[in-house]
Amino acid sequence: KNEVEQSPQNLTAQEGEFITINCSYSVGISALHWLQQHPGGGIVSLFMLSSGKKKHGRLIATINIQEKHSSLHITASHPRDSAVYICAVEDEYGGSQGNLIFGKGTKLSVKP
Amino acid sequence: DAGVTQSPTHLIKTRGQHVTLRCSPISGHKSVSWYQQVLGQGPQFIFQYYEKEERGRGNFPDRFSARQFPNYSSELNVNALLLGDSALYLCASSLSRFAGGGYTFGSGTRLTVV
Repeated sequence: KNEVEQSPQNLTAQEGEFITINCSYSVGISALHWLQQHPGGGIVSLFMLSSGKKKHGRLIATINIQEKHSSLHITASHPRDSAVYICAVEDEYGGSQGNLIFGKGTKLSVKP
Repeated sequence: DAGVTQSPTHLIKTRGQHVTLRCSPISGHKSVSWYQQVLGQGPQFIFQYYEKEERGRGNFPDRFSARQFPNYSSELNVNALLLGDSALYLCASSLSRFAGGGYTFGSGTRLTVV
C-alpha cells in the first residue's frame, strides 16, 4: 500500500463545475504539498499546508491532520485547469532528510 | 530571478552508457533534491544535497550518484543505463533541508534509454 493515496485517478469535468481531489496518507507528516504538473512535465507548487485551509484564487486546499486527509478544490473549473494534480507529504521526522513522498497524481480534464 | 533550470531537456542514450543531468537552483537556495518520475507514476526521491553534502538517499542502486557544487548547482549521474531508467528526472530546490521549506521544481530532463 502506498503511503500517499489519491482519488480519483482520473477526473473529467465540464467547464464551470466544482472539483474535489482527495489525498490520504499513512505517515505522520509535518507538511503536505499540492502540486500541478502539465503535459510538458514541469511541476508547479500550488500549496504547502500543515493545518487548516488555504485559498488562492479559485483553488482551495484543506487538511485534517487527525484524519490524515487533505482535499484540493477547484471552483468554477476552466479548461486551462486541465493537468495532473499531485499530493506530496513531508514526513514528521524532518521530511526523511528532505524528501517528499508523492501520490500517483489525479489527471484532470476540463471540457469546454 | 530565474527559476530552477535543468539541462538538457531531452536526452536519448543507449543501454550501458552513462548520463549526467544538471540542475541550477534558485539563487539563495542551498538544498537540491532529485526525483525520478516514470510514466504514469508519481515522482520517487533519489537524493537530497544540502550545503554540498548528501543528506538523503532514496531506494536507488549505486549506479545513481550525485554531487553539489560550491555554487549549489548539482549533477545527477547514472552509470550503466538500463531501459528501466527511462523517465522524467526532476530537480527541486529549497532554502533549507527540513520540513516546511517550500520547494521549487525545474521542468525536468526526459531521459529515454534505447
